[in-house]
Amino acid sequence: RKEVEQDPGPFNVPEGATVAFNCTYSNSASQSFFWYRQDCRKEPKLLMSVYSSGNEDGRFTAQLNRASQYISLLIRDSKLSDSATYLCVVNSDAGNMLTFGGGTRLMVKP
Amino acid sequence: GAGVSQSPRYKVAKRGQDVALRCDPISGHVSLFWYQQALGQGPEFLTYFQNEAQLDKSGLPSDRFFAERPEGSVSTLKIQRTQQEDSAVYLCASSPQRRDTYNEQFFGPGTRLTVL
Repeated sequence: RKEVEQDPGPFNVPEGATVAFNCTYSNSASQSFFWYRQDCRKEPKLLMSVYSSGNEDGRFTAQLNRASQYISLLIRDSKLSDSATYLCVVNSDAGNMLTFGGGTRLMVKP
Repeated sequence: GAGVSQSPRYKVAKRGQDVALRCDPISGHVSLFWYQQALGQGPEFLTYFQNEAQLDKSGLPSDRFFAERPEGSVSTLKIQRTQQEDSAVYLCASSPQRRDTYNEQFFGPGTRLTVL
């Protein structure tokens, strides 16, 4: 079983739709949680950190449930430019390695 | 400012050939990471440096993989006697040293290695 698991998708949604991605992690000692975005043939880039209290950045909302070891990302009012792969990422030791999920592919269509 | 750079961007190697992949981290960044990303997968950790010290090499898949960062800046990932299963994108990331908080890792564009 992989340490971080995501539904690979693809999620095909129309512009303006709301879409949600989920992720589970197995290491209960994990300390920090993130969503990264990766465009085709590009490097991963930090989208947002994830906190237990939930956090929002514009159209993006991230949530962490430590008890269930579950992380979510909600995208409202999807744009064509949101089309990418979204990577769920966990860090178990500050300053040390990141553990990535396999990514969820999102395609937003006109 | 300049981000993380990697070279070459693309490398085609014949099976059995040795390759060397270079990473130039962001200036002043203490930590440097190498990841391997196979097609359709998320990146997987290979090794980690803090300055010139290699603190974790638990992700290196075999003893054919070797990484160094002799002066605490540029790093080289070397793969000896390449095999087809080594075909992947090799990503380098760097991060600043701040002990009290998680340090965001900034990724380079990667080197796409194809072993024929």
